[in-house]
Amino acid sequence: DTAVSQTPKYLVTQMGNDKSIKCEQNLGHDTMYWYKQDSKKFLKIMFSYNNKELIINETVPNRFSPKSPDKAHLNLHINSLELGDSAVYFCASSRQQGQETQYFGPGTRLLVL
Amino acid sequence: TQLLEQSPQFLSIQEGENLTVYCNSSSVFSSLQWYRQEPGEGPVLLVTVVTGGEVKKLKRLTFQFGDARKDSSLHITAAQPGDTGLYLCAGVRNFNKFYFGSGTKLNVKP
Repeated sequence: DTAVSQTPKYLVTQMGNDKSIKCEQNLGHDTMYWYKQDSKKFLKIMFSYNNKELIINETVPNRFSPKSPDKAHLNLHINSLELGDSAVYFCASSRQQGQETQYFGPGTRLLVL
Repeated sequence: TQLLEQSPQFLSIQEGENLTVYCNSSSVFSSLQWYRQEPGEGPVLLVTVVTGGEVKKLKRLTFQFGDARKDSSLHITAAQPGDTGLYLCAGVRNFNKFYFGSGTKLNVKP
């Protein structure tokens, strides 16, 4: 029943490791997003995909690589994790691009030690 | 530098009080959205305002988009403990880019 789901919910790892976060939406939406929310609750967009194509790529280190195997999935792979990568990562989807309603997943809490 | 500044950052009030949260920018947005986020969950959309000067009501919540589409306010009448949460405004520019505000953490005490 979950509209936008993310796995894992919690991720604790060492500096320098490589990790992936997965996101799936069952809403039939065309557009998906990755956001990063820092400790001050500031939510910043990282990437946006529309029909599997990258449309927004904010100033994010190239250690972060999104992949959209199909319209319903948008995964985020992070290489060489750094302490500053610790945050909550949210996946979201919307029916189309533009000022549409975004539906957010429950978030993945990443802690880099 | 954040495009949208929210004030106040924190607000702790008693049940039954009224409050207003502000979302300000020097930039123009094509639309503005308000979200509420509860601990451990993702933000949930409350409303989208599109037209300058537009006012929308959602039960005890009143949202207004500034005439110049640079700012917005959220007014809650007779706040209840269930209103507790983090309120985020988000402005839309360039058709599909969302810029979130700094957030207002509201605590309503019974």
